[in-house]
Amino acid sequence: DQQVKQNSPSLSVQEGRISILNCDYTNSMFDYFLWYKKYPAEGPTFLISISSIKDKNEDGRFTVFLNKSAKHLSLHIVPSQPGDSAVYFCAASPRASRSGSRLTFGEGTQLTVNP
Amino acid sequence: NAGVTQTPKFQVLKTGQSMTLQCAQDMNHEYMSWYRQDPGMGLRLIHYSVGAGITDQGEVPNGYNVSRSTTEDFPLRLLSAAPSQTSVYFCASSYTPLFGTHNYGYTFGSGTRLTVV
Repeated sequence: DQQVKQNSPSLSVQEGRISILNCDYTNSMFDYFLWYKKYPAEGPTFLISISSIKDKNEDGRFTVFLNKSAKHLSLHIVPSQPGDSAVYFCAASPRASRSGSRLTFGEGTQLTVNP
Repeated sequence: NAGVTQTPKFQVLKTGQSMTLQCAQDMNHEYMSWYRQDPGMGLRLIHYSVGAGITDQGEVPNGYNVSRSTTEDFPLRLLSAAPSQTSVYFCASSYTPLFGTHNYGYTFGSGTRLTVV
């Protein structure tokens, strides 16, 4: 049972345009959501996060939106740059507790930003 | 500051062999976890630890053992390797998330690519 799902395995956008990566989840206990970026032969790196008490969080070119009623979140990258080309993973965690260390990841979306 | 260090980076095992994947962090993080990454399946949690002496099972624990005798180290042991354990393994660590705040920005190691033949 895939509790966190990224339905698009790949996304291709032009440099300077907006990239929108989507993620859906099924577990109502998820309280905190994160996005990670991964380059080949490297470990994932933390990008941005959002708590369930918010519906938007911005950090520079990156904005994450959370729609709790739809159990959907998205990552917007504006403007997209060729260096953003990577695999993006959505992840979710239950309420802060010992189980808070249990991140559940989506399958990942390969973003390619063309010059 | 080395962050999270995993060794080895690559390993080929024969079916039935055992081995230990090493993970060390120098950030005094309490939380440490092991994930495996397989094509089309994202990262799946194998085992995790919330502090020295405390470990628990994740989503796919079968065939793996862990222990946490120190804050710094969290080795993953494969008891009897099987071809289904061919994967890329990532170790990660983070600070303890405080109630009311959220700091789940895990730091990942660079991974161990394991092939079981």
